[in-house]
Amino acid sequence: DAKTTQPNSMESNEEEPVHLPCNHSTISGTDYIHWYRQLPSQGPEYVIHGLTSNVNNRMASLAIAEDRKSSTLILHRATLRDAAVYYCIPPMWEKLVFGKGTKLTVNP
Amino acid sequence: EAQVTQNPRYLITVTGKKLTVTCSQNMNHEYMSWYRQDPGLGLRQIYYSMNVEVTDKGDVPEGYKVSRKEKRNFPLILESPSPNQTSLYFCASISGTAYNEQFFGPGTRLTVL
Repeated sequence: DAKTTQPNSMESNEEEPVHLPCNHSTISGTDYIHWYRQLPSQGPEYVIHGLTSNVNNRMASLAIAEDRKSSTLILHRATLRDAAVYYCIPPMWEKLVFGKGTKLTVNP
Repeated sequence: EAQVTQNPRYLITVTGKKLTVTCSQNMNHEYMSWYRQDPGLGLRQIYYSMNVEVTDKGDVPEGYKVSRKEKRNFPLILESPSPNQTSLYFCASISGTAYNEQFFGPGTRLTVL
């Protein structure tokens, strides 16, 4: 199974960009890289996914290294509502393997 | 609105008293899954279902049963709950597209005394 490594916690100020890193050196060539987040007292929610090129959606951007061994989730302007645990996940077909993720604190 | 619903949201019960946590999705997804979340252990998969009448064990299936008699529902059954099953439970429905986006329910907090 592919494994991921993320910092345990990060801190940001409101309205500043946040770059959340993830190392996934064992990911296979066909695995999508997924990011989910879990807000306090809620279930995880999908944020973004990518394979080889950088991706953008309304929630975030995903920058994937050329060798695919790492990726960075970018929140362009952090808000207090972005305070959550962020999970970088290389998925198996039917199962998401959640590690401990990165707890993001956003300061007002 | 696309959603996954779980009931009940909170439950306190006693050891040995059978209970069922229901899960329902309105997205016509074939794949569904149950997870439990415990402090320090993260989310762990209990069971998953690839279609009606097709289920399989996840990483921590002991003490749980599931059934999938219709596509939209995937109940989790605890025949004889024990205190070590006190946890936060999440049901998820899987899109089945190439990237398998998963939609999670709001969670069920179960306490077994």
